Amino acid sequence: DAGITQSPRYKITETGRQVTLMCHQTWSHSYMFWYRQDLGHGLRLIYYSAAADITDKGEVPDGYVVSRSKTENFPLTLESATRSQTSVYFCASSGGDTDTQYFGPGTRLTVL
Amino acid sequence: DQQVKQNSPSLSVQEGRISILNCDYTNSMFDYFLWYKKYPAEGPTFLISISSIKDKNEDGRFTVFLNKSAKHLSLHIVPSQPGDSAVYFCAASDTGFQKLVFGTGTRLLVSP
Repeated sequence: DAGITQSPRYKITETGRQVTLMCHQTWSHSYMFWYRQDLGHGLRLIYYSAAADITDKGEVPDGYVVSRSKTENFPLTLESATRSQTSVYFCASSGGDTDTQYFGPGTRLTVL
Repeated sequence: DQQVKQNSPSLSVQEGRISILNCDYTNSMFDYFLWYKKYPAEGPTFLISISSIKDKNEDGRFTVFLNKSAKHLSLHIVPSQPGDSAVYFCAASDTGFQKLVFGTGTRLLVSP
């Protein structure tokens, strides 16, 4: 199906483990983004990518790694998960002349 | 420092009445503003946007007003419907940048 998908939708892990959240879009949008949503903070940008092999930090990048080898995929890796990374993670993409971003359904991550 | 602020965490209105959601920003470089709606367990969905060259933009029941001198924007929903019950986020960006800065959200409850 066309659109933007995230997997897994729910994930429970333990402190210190590596976790990778997947994001896939079928629009061939050039821009892709990762946000986290926390109570009292709204949505905060973690990393974004302007094109394949081009990534840059957002507001809260510490503890996260991204890559973008293909236009349609933008995985987010927590190299050593911490409890403070318990959150809902949203991937988004955009393209064309506007800043309108289209969001995936989110991944709820719990770090025990 | 929160560059985009939504000072009302919640708002309750009756069906058929007007809902007014407010957003303030501090960065004078912002020149493109968006509203997103979010239902539980879903990603945010784009609602309406406005650029700084305008002071009003309408789309059906939704109107966004921008007051650049006051660094304030508002979303009016007329008439409000129970299906409008959701969390509303305002977001802002600089020209030429895809990085959005989000507010903390306002939860709207429209009662029948």
